Amino acid sequence: EIVMTQSPATLSVSPGEGATLSCRASHSVSSDVAWYQQKPGQAPRLLIYGTSTRATGIPARFSGSGSGTEFTLTISSLQSEDFAVYYCQQYHNWPPLTFGGGTKVEIK
Amino acid sequence: EVQLVESGGGLVQPGGSLRLSCAASGFTFKAYGLIWVRQAPGKGLEWLSTISFSGSSTYYADSVKGRFTISKDNSKNTLFLQMSSLRVQDTAVYYCAKSGGRYFFDSWGQGTLVTVSS
Repeated sequence: EIVMTQSPATLSVSPGEGATLSCRASHSVSSDVAWYQQKPGQAPRLLIYGTSTRATGIPARFSGSGSGTEFTLTISSLQSEDFAVYYCQQYHNWPPLTFGGGTKVEIK
Repeated sequence: EVQLVESGGGLVQPGGSLRLSCAASGFTFKAYGLIWVRQAPGKGLEWLSTISFSGSSTYYADSVKGRFTISKDNSKNTLFLQMSSLRVQDTAVYYCAKSGGRYFFDSWGQGTLVTVSS
């Protein structure tokens, strides 16, 4: 099983600042990583797939990078609607499909 | 517009059974793989099961293997999760989701709450 480890667990950021979220895979997953955003009481929303491809309708301030075992989601300038929990997911080697434990981005 | 609407959640006693449904619209249902994912209160996302576009291949997490069964009815555009031998630790919001081609998920339902308690 590929374990996805996200860091930090919580990130405190002021609106307008940038944020960098990390996701590490226990084994190489090539570029087969997706990122999701989840707000309280809502379903997850796909942000990024294939490490760096933004999903339909996702603003350009969200970007993804990495390969192999190290991946990053960068939010260039946080807007109020970006404060949420973010999950990475690998789909390279499954079952099982695996998600990271999440990073909560909160207002500083 | 893609829509996924789950139903069938509720309160069930330990050892009981429940069948979740996920009604789909806005895409060619028979052309995409689908999954069930759950989220226990205050916890992260846990993949439970995947079914291929044709329905011929199914996959399960160890935590539910032998207890849960995924299926789909392409004539009714509906995904199912039959859950049996339910445990207190199965309490969660259950989401269905549609694959985006490969097994990342570009559309999600709103979730249905399953509570297992005596």
